[in-house]
Amino acid sequence: EPEVTQTPSHQVTQMGQEVILRCVPISNHLYFYWYRQILGQKVEFLVSFYNNEISEKSEIFDDQFSVERPDGSNFTLKIRSTKLEDSAMYFCASSVRRGGASTTDTQYFGPGTRLTVL
Amino acid sequence: AQSVTQPDIHITVSEGASLELRCNYSYGATPYLFWYVQSPGQGLQLLLKYFSGDTLVQGIKGFEAEFKRSQSSFNLRKPSVHWSDAAEYFCAVGILTGGGNKLTFGTGTQLKVEL
Repeated sequence: EPEVTQTPSHQVTQMGQEVILRCVPISNHLYFYWYRQILGQKVEFLVSFYNNEISEKSEIFDDQFSVERPDGSNFTLKIRSTKLEDSAMYFCASSVRRGGASTTDTQYFGPGTRLTVL
Repeated sequence: AQSVTQPDIHITVSEGASLELRCNYSYGATPYLFWYVQSPGQGLQLLLKYFSGDTLVQGIKGFEAEFKRSQSSFNLRKPSVHWSDAAEYFCAVGILTGGGNKLTFGTGTQLKVEL
């Protein structure tokens, strides 16, 4: 069964450094998402991406964050200058379509990248 | 704005006992509702979803959930819990946006299974 993959599984960085989190969505999916989960808290939506542009972003997704689909398979989240409060598990997800009654509209999640900012 | 409430932070059940995890949502229109499970160190796995139609939906691993519009609830049930069901369970409501389906999650319920 196809699955979403994410690399690295764990990233440790110093405050102020740039990090890039990578995701390979399921190959025929068209919609891509990033979520994050701070330890002990709920999963929060960051951004959705379709047709090579951001569809929606949350208030968390400020100018320090950016997303890109540099080629036909990867989907990346960049944090320009990391802060301590960016430490979290970051999940990538993808879906074929944006929503509706079809069974093809489900978001499939990757295993996550745990980001630790020191 | 939409929201999801999972009132039980922790639940402990004995193996073989029945399980019900509660979820209440707040959303102005007909919601898309989901239950995901997260095992330690793992990602989020979809258990089941409700979009429309039959209000009792069946999922994987023997789970089911019932959508009750009058109560704004989407409770997850399993008749007989297995030790491998120990995990964290998240209820989510999906909101259609211009280019995607944004999920809003509850805070999760940690399930412990006693042998």
